[in-house]
Amino acid sequence: ETGVTQTPRHLVMGMTNKKSLKCEQHLGHNAMYWYKQSAKKPLELMFVYNFKEQTENNSVPSRFSPECPNSSHLFLHLHTLQPEDSALYLCASSQDPGQGSEKLFFGSGTQLSVL
Amino acid sequence: GQNIDQPTEMTATEGAIVQINCTYQTSGFNGLFWYQQHAGEAPTFLSYNVLDGLEEKGRFSSFLSRSKGYSYLLLKELQMKDSASYLCAVVDSNYQLIWGAGTKLIIKP
Repeated sequence: ETGVTQTPRHLVMGMTNKKSLKCEQHLGHNAMYWYKQSAKKPLELMFVYNFKEQTENNSVPSRFSPECPNSSHLFLHLHTLQPEDSALYLCASSQDPGQGSEKLFFGSGTQLSVL
Repeated sequence: GQNIDQPTEMTATEGAIVQINCTYQTSGFNGLFWYQQHAGEAPTFLSYNVLDGLEEKGRFSSFLSRSKGYSYLLLKELQMKDSASYLCAVVDSNYQLIWGAGTKLIIKP
């Protein structure tokens, strides 16, 4: 148990569907992250939120829309996805971003399949 | 560009020792992390090195040489539960994390 919970664990959706991924952290951290993990590829940082404000958006397509209503919750809204978006989506949190020694606490991820 | 290299897959025997290497070329250096990720689970923190040398934590040790752009993770007395992927990540000059693709370690009885 890492203190970061993601739901759902698995999601299958069609290209025209709209769905949302949810992440909740119980660690009192100030920063939350969305990462994409594809097989045999490095983790790709998608979005960073620090004190509920988005501080990074790494050229992510607009079909991915993040939302951070408070420092404990993070959502990733999905619409009109493509098959190449199939991957494991990981949420993470840290006490503060931008500190070299800050370790990340990850959720178990949502395995997304786009048909 | 920035690059982290680690072997894709390694196999070792229960009870043995294995060394997983990580080499990096990044714009600056502010530390190196190792994470462990069991299949279908969250990556979890193993170690952080910012100074040269060896850091030991029980059966796991991590080594860093900044001049060579090189680190390794050493796992001793391997157990079946050590079967997992091991992720190397470097903090660059902008405090961004640059990730390797991970090394899948398979432990055989």
